[in-house]
Amino acid sequence: RKEVEQDPGPFNVPEGATVAFNCTYSNSASQSFFWYRQDCRKEPKLLMSVYSSGNEDGRFTAQLNRASQYISLLIRDSKLSDSATYLCVVNTNAGKSTFGDGTTLTVKP
Amino acid sequence: SAVISQKPSRDICQRGTSLTIQCQVDSQVTMMFWYRQQPGQSLTLIATANQGSEATYESGFVIDKFPISRPNLTFSTLTVSNMSPEDSSIYLCSVTGHLNTEAFFGQGTRLTVV
Repeated sequence: RKEVEQDPGPFNVPEGATVAFNCTYSNSASQSFFWYRQDCRKEPKLLMSVYSSGNEDGRFTAQLNRASQYISLLIRDSKLSDSATYLCVVNTNAGKSTFGDGTTLTVKP
Repeated sequence: SAVISQKPSRDICQRGTSLTIQCQVDSQVTMMFWYRQQPGQSLTLIATANQGSEATYESGFVIDKFPISRPNLTFSTLTVSNMSPEDSSIYLCSVTGHLNTEAFFGQGTRLTVV
């Protein structure tokens, strides 16, 4: 079993749709959690950190459930520019990041 | 955040040769890491670059193949040795300021071995 597992995707949605990505992790000692975005042929860039209390940044909402070892990302009112691969990332207390395989989102007009 | 300069950005190399990738950070950082991203796949950690001592390698990666240096807190190199076509990949340098904070990435080095 992989340490971090994501919805395999791909997700193809129309503009304006709401889309949710799910991620589970196996290491209960994991300390911090993130969603990254990676555009084609570019390096990953931080989208948002994920906290147990949940956090929202504009159209993006991230949730963490430590008991279930589950992380989610919700994108509302999808834009064409949201098309990218979204990576679920989990850090251990050694500071190492473990990446999920990524979920590809394509937003269509 | 940290600004990371990684070079070269891309290279095409002959099999059997070696390539050294450099990573320069604009500020002192605690943790530096090297990742590999093979075509169509996610990132896999190669090793943690330790300042002034040998790197800590992940399972499946060895020092003879991927020697790493980190002479100070702002600079590291990764060498891909005795390359084969299977080493064709993107190699990424990553840094964090403290444990459990987000990681920042260099622009990556796109390596093609022919």
